[in-house]
Amino acid sequence: DVKVTQSSRYLVKRTGEKVFLECVQDMDHENMFWYRQDPGLGLRLIYFSYDVKMKEKGDIPEGYSVSREKKERFSLILESASTNQTSMYLCASSFLSSYNSPLHFGNGTRLTVT
Amino acid sequence: AQKVTQAQTEISVVEKEDVTLDCVYETRDTTYYLFWYKQPPSGELVFLIRRNSFDEQNEISGRYSWNFQKSTSSFNFTITASQVVDSAVYFCALSDSYSGGGADGLTFGKGTHLIIQP
Repeated sequence: DVKVTQSSRYLVKRTGEKVFLECVQDMDHENMFWYRQDPGLGLRLIYFSYDVKMKEKGDIPEGYSVSREKKERFSLILESASTNQTSMYLCASSFLSSYNSPLHFGNGTRLTVT
Repeated sequence: AQKVTQAQTEISVVEKEDVTLDCVYETRDTTYYLFWYKQPPSGELVFLIRRNSFDEQNEISGRYSWNFQKSTSSFNFTITASQVVDSAVYFCALSDSYSGGGADGLTFGKGTHLIIQP
């Protein structure tokens, strides 16, 4: 089975802190994604990556950056956390294909910024 | 533009009832894929089904069935004889060449929270 592991289930950070959310997958997937999930808004794509050191902006990249130094690891970075970034963050991965590959998700990280 | 609409925000039924979750999509592509995911209280989204735009056959998997109708741009999900363990948020999603800024991103609906009461 595909395993996508997010390092933290719950995080509490203060406004202005630099926050790292880590995600690791073990299926040699080329694609990795970061989504945030908010009540009433569903899932929104923040960033994604097709390959090591490559990144592409999703629908809501403002206030975030990402890093992909190794194929299996994709990090989401909040340079200066703000309260409106309090959310559930979901990492996902998939094979590189012609948009028919299902995404496999991690358990999510619930981030609270106070 | 691509869009997925799940008009039902929350549905509550009593165990053993049948329930249908609606999904309506919009896309400019003629080739696209539709997905359903389940998110139980644990938080992980679980992949349930993928359907491509050229296959309109209905699909049945145990108590789950899916009805894909291109004429109405709908991909509805029915649970027969619902059980408490079916309680979750269910997401419908679309993948086409315009989704997520790249070929493999998904556009999600806002989800339907299904509550099965014992």
